Amino acid sequence: EADIYQTPRYLVIGTGKKITLECSQTMGHDKMYWYQQDPGMELHLIHYSYGVNSTEKGDLSSESTVSRIRTEHFPLTLESARPSHTSQYLCASSATSLLAGAPYEQYFGPGTRLTVT
Amino acid sequence: GEDVEQSLFLSVREGDSSVINCTYTDSSSTYLYWYKQEPGAGLQLLTYIFSNMDMKQDQRLTVLLNKKDKHLSLRIADTQTGDSAIYFCAETADYGGSQGNLIFGKGTKLSVKP
Repeated sequence: EADIYQTPRYLVIGTGKKITLECSQTMGHDKMYWYQQDPGMELHLIHYSYGVNSTEKGDLSSESTVSRIRTEHFPLTLESARPSHTSQYLCASSATSLLAGAPYEQYFGPGTRLTVT
Repeated sequence: GEDVEQSLFLSVREGDSSVINCTYTDSSSTYLYWYKQEPGAGLQLLTYIFSNMDMKQDQRLTVLLNKKDKHLSLRIADTQTGDSAIYFCAETADYGGSQGNLIFGKGTKLSVKP
């Protein structure tokens, strides 16, 4: 079972508020990811990180920002939430070694469902 | 660019076989994957296949790969109501700095009727 955690699981917040979605993993994985999932199921990669002090933008432009100060922790921040940010946010991690588990396997957290009113 | 296509919905009766299909565009993908997402949860790896294989079987799951047509399928034998979920096909992204990232399809929602 994957040891990757996301908090909160559900968040309802008003427009203009600053929010941070937490993601942590205990597997020692170097690589971590944030995905935004549409109500229609499609996953969009919005951020990823190769390791400490590394952050990269994903395929979908996002107003959110991320940081990677510790290997196990990859928080996502929205400075000013808007209704268009309403979505499911999934965090994932993977090992960079091809010897560990399925090659490039990504382990997902349970997600945070964000609603901005 | 790389793209992965799947049909969005599939409905089967309990006990029947389910076949979920996927096409991908990047012929250099090293690995192809099937992930499952149950309601209210994240994705979980079901199985994967190395690109030089044609078939992989794992209990009720059979993965078929037609590399010439860039077509991947997942067959679930004796489908159960617990198999109701969204199934995502994925390929490895092998370009530039994104190596090791996965490209996911839009997902196929499988509904199993008793």
